[in-house]
Amino acid sequence: QSALTQPASVSGSPGQSITISCTGTSSDVGSYNLVSWYQQHPGKAPKLMIYEVSKRPSGVSNRFSGSKSGNTASLTISGLQAEDEADYYCCSYAGSSTEVFGGGTKLTVL
Amino acid sequence: QVQLVQSGAEVKKPGSSVKVSCKASGGTFSSYAISWVRQAPGQGLEWMGGIIPIFGTANYAQKFQGRVTITTDESTSTAYMELSSLRSEDTAVYYCASDGGYCSSTSCYVYWGQGTLVTVSS
Repeated sequence: QSALTQPASVSGSPGQSITISCTGTSSDVGSYNLVSWYQQHPGKAPKLMIYEVSKRPSGVSNRFSGSKSGNTASLTISGLQAEDEADYYCCSYAGSSTEVFGGGTKLTVL
Repeated sequence: QVQLVQSGAEVKKPGSSVKVSCKASGGTFSSYAISWVRQAPGQGLEWMGGIIPIFGTANYAQKFQGRVTITTDESTSTAYMELSSLRSEDTAVYYCASDGGYCSSTSCYVYWGQGTLVTVSS
């Protein structure tokens, strides 16, 4: 159960789009459409942004979207806003009722 | 709407154990999964294990097998996470998290507790 691989940091200017990747294996991301994404601001609990690869919980902006290809899932944020600056984590079901998180990506809005 | 309220901060000695509670309100406690996720200072999220109260069997990340025990008390809608043989590297914020019945699948943590800081220090 190794952590999923995410870039340590990404950045973008307001209004731009960015994509955060999350690479796993055929035992987790590649085998299940059960990838979720979380936003975490400093000192706060994580917030669910995407579940089941591409579904958005009610109340989450449609600027956030998710996708998956093979062993890699992606989170895209369009129309970047200052309040999007946060840490982002992916999570995948890994079989046998276990889950695994990614190492996290720090998003900086320039 | 589900609310998860965790117990307060703890300071523990190396080698001891800690038990953190997570009291749920709203929803049907027995039917939704509750997981425990920890975050060491400046580090990422780490899934420790989870349980569905109605089934009663917990599942754990390999890293914590033998050292963590997750249980529930349906009479009080409370989940517990006990971690033993504590070492300094276990210093972290421990969160409980659940889908609260929102999702029909796993890996869907809609609701989070406020976090409990556990400090392991001699």
